Amino acid sequence: EVQLVQSGAEVKKPGESLKISCKGSGYSFTSYWIGWVRQMPGKGLEWMGIIYPGDSDTRYSPSFQGQVTISADKSISTAYLQWSSLKASDTAMYYCARLNGVVPYYFDYWGQGTLVTVSS
Amino acid sequence: EIVLTQSPGTLSLSPGERATLSCRASQSVSSSYLAWYQQKPGQAPRLLIYGASSRATGIPDRFSGSGSGTDFTLTISRLEPEDFAVYYCQQYGSSPGITFGQGTRLEIK
Repeated sequence: EVQLVQSGAEVKKPGESLKISCKGSGYSFTSYWIGWVRQMPGKGLEWMGIIYPGDSDTRYSPSFQGQVTISADKSISTAYLQWSSLKASDTAMYYCARLNGVVPYYFDYWGQGTLVTVSS
Repeated sequence: EIVLTQSPGTLSLSPGERATLSCRASQSVSSSYLAWYQQKPGQAPRLLIYGASSRATGIPDRFSGSGSGTDFTLTISRLEPEDFAVYYCQQYGSSPGITFGQGTRLEIK
């Protein structure tokens, strides 16, 4: 069974750093792209970026380039999303999801989400 | 950048009725790289349709997708109580790569 299990909720202060995780199981982690999707409170879905754990090839949405860093450790089947300096506007639910397709373009499995709250 | 516009923003229907949700792209979506997702409150999105018209594993056949180019439709033939949720379309293109529509909320009338 394919599963993506994300790390737990975080409460941080503005300016702090954070790294959240997404552990894949039940499939070949190095053979599928993993994406990150933001959902701000009461809002829609926003694609942030994707990574191919096999070779760490990473692509960012222009809206998030330079704002976050996506990485992966294939030895433990885990992808990461990190911030060096959080802002209150980073408060959101963050989902990881597996990309599928001959040209990988649709998210077929999703993590349960990690709620990040940034408040002073 | 390809922008996806979903309509209506909110759709109010009763169980048993037919729902038609629209997703219009600002430019042609290549090779029908168009997917639909359902999201219920407090849950992660769930893949319904990919390739504009292929149902994902385990999705009931009352859900169907159609369209090509710039106009796509998700149809729910007979609404069940569990179908009331928010629906998103999503496309893949050259740049910036992946975009989502703003969502259609399907609510019980």
